[in-house]
Amino acid sequence: KNQVEQSPQSLIILEGKNCTLQCNYTVSPFSNLRWYKQDTGRGPVSLTIMTFSENTKSNGRYTATLDADTKQSSLHITASQLSDSASYICVVRVNFGNEKLTFGTGTRLTIIP
Amino acid sequence: GAGVSQSPSNKVTEKGKDVELRCDPISGHTALYWYRQSLGQGLEFLIYFQGNSAPDKSGLPSDRFSAERTGGSVSTLTIQRTQQEDSAVYLCASSPRRGNEKLFFGSGTQLSVL
Repeated sequence: KNQVEQSPQSLIILEGKNCTLQCNYTVSPFSNLRWYKQDTGRGPVSLTIMTFSENTKSNGRYTATLDADTKQSSLHITASQLSDSASYICVVRVNFGNEKLTFGTGTRLTIIP
Repeated sequence: GAGVSQSPSNKVTEKGKDVELRCDPISGHTALYWYRQSLGQGLEFLIYFQGNSAPDKSGLPSDRFSAERTGGSVSTLTIQRTQQEDSAVYLCASSPRRGNEKLFFGSGTQLSVL
């Protein structure tokens, strides 16, 4: 069982609509959680980082939430644009003092006009 | 360049051949990582460099895989006697230093083993 699970696996929505992507993790001890956006044929790019004490953080039309008690995070995209079509990957870092990162398998988001 | 550069962007090889994949990290970034991304799978950690040393090689799947980094900059991932299951996108990332830094990824090398 993957220690970082994302849902849905894929999602198709109309341009202009909102959507929410989910990330549940079991890894511990928790250090931080990042959401990355990966366009087709490109490497992932960091959107936002959530640390233990943060509940919500916005970056433009992207808003991430974190509930460290239930070990859940979400990424909400408002007023979607065609350029939002990408894979969104949740990455959790454990606090071992090393470089251990656990990647989710991602949600493939497609925005249609 | 301004970002992490990987070459080649695509590599098609025959089973049993050796391949070398190159990564040029962002200038000044001391930490460098190699990951493998297979279709429908999450990124799989391969190896991490801090400077020229590799404190964590735990992700290398077999002794056919090796990597080196010279001058604290360019890194090469070598796969010997390639197998079809090695087909994947190999991503390199760098960060300014170890710790909770975000990773800056290259666009990857798509390796196809026929």
